[in-house]
Amino acid sequence: EDKVVQSPLSLVVHEGDTVTLNCSYEVTNFRSLLWYKQEKKAPTFLFMLTSSGIEKKSGRLSSILDKKELFSILNITATQTGDSAVYLCAPEYSGGSNYKLTFGKGTLLTVNP
Amino acid sequence: DTEVTQTPKHLVMGMTNKKSLKCEQHMGHRAMYWYKQKAKKPPELMFVYSYEKLSINESVPSRFSPECPNSSLLNLHLHALQPEDSALYLCASSRLGMNTEAFFGQGTRLTVV
Repeated sequence: EDKVVQSPLSLVVHEGDTVTLNCSYEVTNFRSLLWYKQEKKAPTFLFMLTSSGIEKKSGRLSSILDKKELFSILNITATQTGDSAVYLCAPEYSGGSNYKLTFGKGTLLTVNP
Repeated sequence: DTEVTQTPKHLVMGMTNKKSLKCEQHMGHRAMYWYKQKAKKPPELMFVYSYEKLSINESVPSRFSPECPNSSLLNLHLHALQPEDSALYLCASSRLGMNTEAFFGQGTRLTVV
């Protein structure tokens, strides 16, 4: 049973479009939710969300968390071809003596010129 | 220095070989992680080290043996692997405590022949 569900699994848009990526999760002892961008190798960190309703922004990217509905979205405005990547969300939760991340399957975003 | 460095970048090994993957960080992070990522799948947690002690083992087969010789280094010793173990192996590190994101290395692309 998946703890983390991302949608859509893939998305193809044109440069300049706005996209919304979704992440729902179901974990116990939740601490935070993280978004990562993965191009060829290492996932690179985008956002960490710990509080509901507070939007975090970084340039054209923004993200918000709803801890009541166990849901997060990642928005990208005015998309560029360099935004093409897999976007992974990962709730951080207690795994016994430590916290751990469980990644969703990711959304493959393709931005065409 | 916000880098997690993994060596080697690529590794091809036979099923009878013994090899080691290495990971190094100098950010003072006291949590270090090994993830395995198969093609078109999200990273899957294998091990977590906290203060150089193994705190989480996600039921990983004993042919994978982690080691944390000091607070900057994390190794993954490989022995008698199977072709299905071929994957990208990612190391990550983070501070311990609240509001800490994990930084990932570029990974080792492992092929077992």
